[in-house]
Order: sequence, then structure tokens, then C-alpha cells
Amino acid sequence: GAVVSQHPSRVICKSGTSVKIECRSLDFQATTMFWYRQFPKQSLMLMATSNEGSKATYEQGVEKDKFLINHASLTLSTLTVTSAHPEDSSFYICSARDLQGDTEAFFGQGTRLTVV
Amino acid sequence: GQNIDQPTEMTATEGAIVQINCTYQTSGFNGLFWYQQHAGEAPTFLSYNVLDGLEEKGRFSSFLSRSKGYSYLLLKELQMKDSASYLCAVLDSNYQLIWGAGTKLIIKP
Repeated sequence: GAVVSQHPSRVICKSGTSVKIECRSLDFQATTMFWYRQFPKQSLMLMATSNEGSKATYEQGVEKDKFLINHASLTLSTLTVTSAHPEDSSFYICSARDLQGDTEAFFGQGTRLTVV
Repeated sequence: GQNIDQPTEMTATEGAIVQINCTYQTSGFNGLFWYQQHAGEAPTFLSYNVLDGLEEKGRFSSFLSRSKGYSYLLLKELQMKDSASYLCAVLDSNYQLIWGAGTKLIIKP
């Protein structure tokens, strides 16, 4: 299957700072990338959908000024958690679909964010 | 509203067979996925069904009945490494993935 690389896999940051998470599709072009958050023992929760070259669509309850998403190219999307707080500590996962309309979603490895 | 139901937790014995059910009510249907997720890791793709029937892939099989809004994932010859959460997800009419809460499968020796 196609490869989606997510970086970093783990990050610890101080409260009030910002953290950037990168999601790259390595061997295909992704028109659409999805950002999910997963709290322990819970299902994936979609935060936002980003399309290359346009603004991301955020799910209800997700603060777009806090979770900045940029999908500048067909192979890279970034999620920046601004002014992080301990309650933002979670597992963040990106997924991508390719241009060919393949309906399978390929996932990045996930990023474990801990805000102290 | 859109809804996907699957059992919260199941327990099975090593070497046995287990069936994890998933029922869904969604706005449109463009396929159903099963993913496996080990604790602390991202989900990995197991199967995709868009037509009725059974798809077999090694020890894992997935079944779909669109008229009943029902799918199951069948795992045979269970191994300890199969202990994980199994997520059912449906692609709706807008090609958005709607996720179930996942079924935690515990394998006992």
C-alpha cells in the first residue's frame, strides 16, 4: 500500500508553546488529507479535512485558530497546535487519499503529543 | 444522524475463531472498511467491502450486507498478536469516513 509519513512520532512541549506536525504522502499525490485526534480508549475523531490549495474544513467544536492546518502541496499537510494546553495532549493521526480516487485511506504513524 | 455500532470489547481464545459485528446507518454508502489498531499506534488497513458478500484474505474475512446495514470481520486461528482494537468505518455519500468506536479484542492463551 501507499506510504504516509507523519513526523514527529512523539513530542513533549511546554504549555503555551506551539507544535507543528507534518504529514507527507511519500509515493502518491494526496488531494485530500484528514487530521484525527484520538483520546485513550476512544475512537478516532475527525478534526478537519484539508484539500490541497484551499482552506481546511473543520468539524464542529474544533477551533480553527488553535489547530492550524496547511495543505500547501499534494504531498504535504501540516497541523500546528498553537498555544498548547495540557488538555490538548492526545494522539494525532493524519490520513490521505490519492488523486486516483482510491477510496482506501492511508494513515500516518501518529503523533503522541504531551503538553506539560 | 449517522451511526456505527460495534461491541466495545470481546474476548477469545488463542487458536479459536471470533466474529466482530458492525451495524451502520449512514447517509449514503460507498464502502465499508475494517482497520486494526494496536495500542498507541495508527490504524492499519484490513479490508474494504463495497459489494455484498464475503471477502477472504488469509486468516481474516469480511462480510457485507448492504440491505441489512451489517458487516462482520471474521478472524480465524487467533494469535496473541491479534489482540488489538478493530475499527469499522463507512464511507458515506460525501466520501467521508464515519468511524465506529472500535472493538477491543482480548486474546487469552
